[in-house]
Amino acid sequence: GDSVTQTEGPVTVSESESLIINCTYSATSIAYPNLFWYVRYPGEGLQLLLKVITAGQKGSSRGFEATYNKETTSFHLQKASVQESDSAVYYCALGEITGNTGKLIFGLGTTLQVQP
Amino acid sequence: AQTIHQWPVAEIKAVGSPLSLGCTIKGKSSPNLYWYWQATGGTLQQLFYSITVGQVESVVQLNLSASRPKDDQFILSTEKLLLSHSGFYLCAWSHQTNSDYTFGSGTRLLVI
Repeated sequence: GDSVTQTEGPVTVSESESLIINCTYSATSIAYPNLFWYVRYPGEGLQLLLKVITAGQKGSSRGFEATYNKETTSFHLQKASVQESDSAVYYCALGEITGNTGKLIFGLGTTLQVQP
Repeated sequence: AQTIHQWPVAEIKAVGSPLSLGCTIKGKSSPNLYWYWQATGGTLQQLFYSITVGQVESVVQLNLSASRPKDDQFILSTEKLLLSHSGFYLCAWSHQTNSDYTFGSGTRLLVI
């Protein structure tokens, strides 16, 4: 079936250190999967961080980057230098652009704690 | 600008009691609407979706129901809560032909 597996948290890093949160996916029933990273800051709702709809492309936002790798079925989230304000829960998700079911398949989420 | 509002923010309810969670979208006509749920330690999973007023499709059977009484309103409810209903409920909307979602802030439910 369709599934998303991501780094199990919590992940703790110090400010200005680099970060990578791994995400791999299985898209057996989705012909053209779109890949997403969502973020939930403390006390706030789920926000779209970045998305990529074409294999081989890279998405970026707020200093975060992720490349859609169809060969390795991966969509790892990276940032060169994290800030304390990046502390949040990050969700990798898989979806499809066509149809109206709007179904997103989420990973379990990775809690990131950035220490000052 | 479009806004999405969920209510209540949090609830503590007794097993067997009724539940009603609401979601309102302003500034967008005929959105696709969705309910997602995350159990403690689990992943977010889609429960229902609706593409038009009065029509709701169930994705996961959890002894919950959903209704769309107005174009901008989506309601999640049950007459009898179970312990397993505890978790975090998110409402979301998207354009008809676009996969970008906007999520609400969510409702945290504890059933005791």
